Amino acid sequence: AQSVAQPEDQVNVAEGNPLTVKCTYSVSGNPYLFWYVQYPNRGLQFLLKYITGDNLVKGSYGFEAEFNKSQTSFHLKKPSALVSDSALYFCAVRDMGPPDSWGKLQFGAGTQVVVTP
Amino acid sequence: DAGVIQSPRHEVTEMGQEVTLRCKPISGHNSLFWYRQTMMRGLELLIYFNNNVPIDDSGMPEDRFSAKMPNASFSTLKIQPSEPRDSAVYFCASSDPTGELFFGEGSRLTVL
Repeated sequence: AQSVAQPEDQVNVAEGNPLTVKCTYSVSGNPYLFWYVQYPNRGLQFLLKYITGDNLVKGSYGFEAEFNKSQTSFHLKKPSALVSDSALYFCAVRDMGPPDSWGKLQFGAGTQVVVTP
Repeated sequence: DAGVIQSPRHEVTEMGQEVTLRCKPISGHNSLFWYRQTMMRGLELLIYFNNNVPIDDSGMPEDRFSAKMPNASFSTLKIQPSEPRDSAVYFCASSDPTGELFFGEGSRLTVL
């Protein structure tokens, strides 16, 4: 079964510093990986995804993620964090079943990011 | 497009009462998902539909929970009778053919 792990409950970073949110995955076959962000009292919003191709994926709001097959990781990064990036971040992996299950994502526990001025 | 629309945004009810949550997916999306989010258990998939047909309901906690999708533009999640442990934020999401999920703003349920 597919799964992802987010080892950090919370990440604290000062505004302007680089931000990294960690995610490792466990899948059989090729992974389809996603990052979502949740702001307070809102639904989850799509940031980026890795399906195949370039290991560095660029997404919304200046975020990018690096797929590393040897380390089974898909860490989310931003070169310079903003206070407005403070939110809950979820890593997710797609179910590898038939096409009608492709939206079925297995989410990690989430990592709270706190960016201080 | 207005995105995934959920109602009500907030619901406070007493134990034993019936609760109905509603969802309108994005037009053209053929898959719909109901998730529940709590501090203790995180984000859990309850059930999902493809072309209005329930595909996997293994995440539905028990018989008190039921979900329907009578047409491509509407789904309901019903809890009857409700219990305090059902208190959570319930999200509806729909997906496009690439599998990208679009979430609604959620329905926050409090059962007293």
